[in-house]
Amino acid sequence: AQTVTQSQPEMSVQEAETVTLSCTYDTSESDYYLFWYKQPPSRQMILVIRQEAYKQQNATENRFSVNFQKAAKSFSLKISDSQLGDAAMYFCAVWVYNFNKFYFGSGTKLNVKP
Amino acid sequence: DADVTQTPRNRITKTGKRIMLECSQTKGHDRMYWYRQDPGLGLRLIYYSFDVKDINKGEISDGYSVSRQAQAKFSLSLESAIPNQTALYFCATVGSPNTGELFFGEGSRLTVL
Repeated sequence: AQTVTQSQPEMSVQEAETVTLSCTYDTSESDYYLFWYKQPPSRQMILVIRQEAYKQQNATENRFSVNFQKAAKSFSLKISDSQLGDAAMYFCAVWVYNFNKFYFGSGTKLNVKP
Repeated sequence: DADVTQTPRNRITKTGKRIMLECSQTKGHDRMYWYRQDPGLGLRLIYYSFDVKDINKGEISDGYSVSRQAQAKFSLSLESAIPNQTALYFCATVGSPNTGELFFGEGSRLTVL
């Protein structure tokens, strides 16, 4: 079975500070991709960042970066210079190629304090 | 216009009523999915389809049915709605399985009284 675990239901960060959201996953498949999605109060699901499992280099997108530890099956998201607009639910997800399915974590609610 | 469109955006209904949530997409993708979101549970897969003749159950398909009317349309039905089906429902598509990126609709919030 494929599982994705986000152990932090809620986190807070001060504006302009850095925060890291944790995610661990479990799959026996070798071909998969990892994603972080953001869901603001508007409920729209927005892709934040993607990591190919076969790539060792960590993905970055502006203020967002990941720490991908394949052996540990860990995929954390770091948000630098946090902004008020970063406040949202964040979901970690795994796309398993052979199953053509996504598996989602339970989400982490990020609060940003001014 | 959104690439993946869901209707209705919000619906309040009563126990026992039949409800259909509709999804249409302009991305030309074959793979379409229906997810349910509940607080603390993330997104769970209800049904998915790879083409009009290939429909598969997800992890929580009981109480739901689907119809893939065309490549672009994938509808979710609740034959007899019950209160614990109150949730936010998302339709999504995937283009290439090599990249796996999900393209979401805006979500349909369903409340069953």
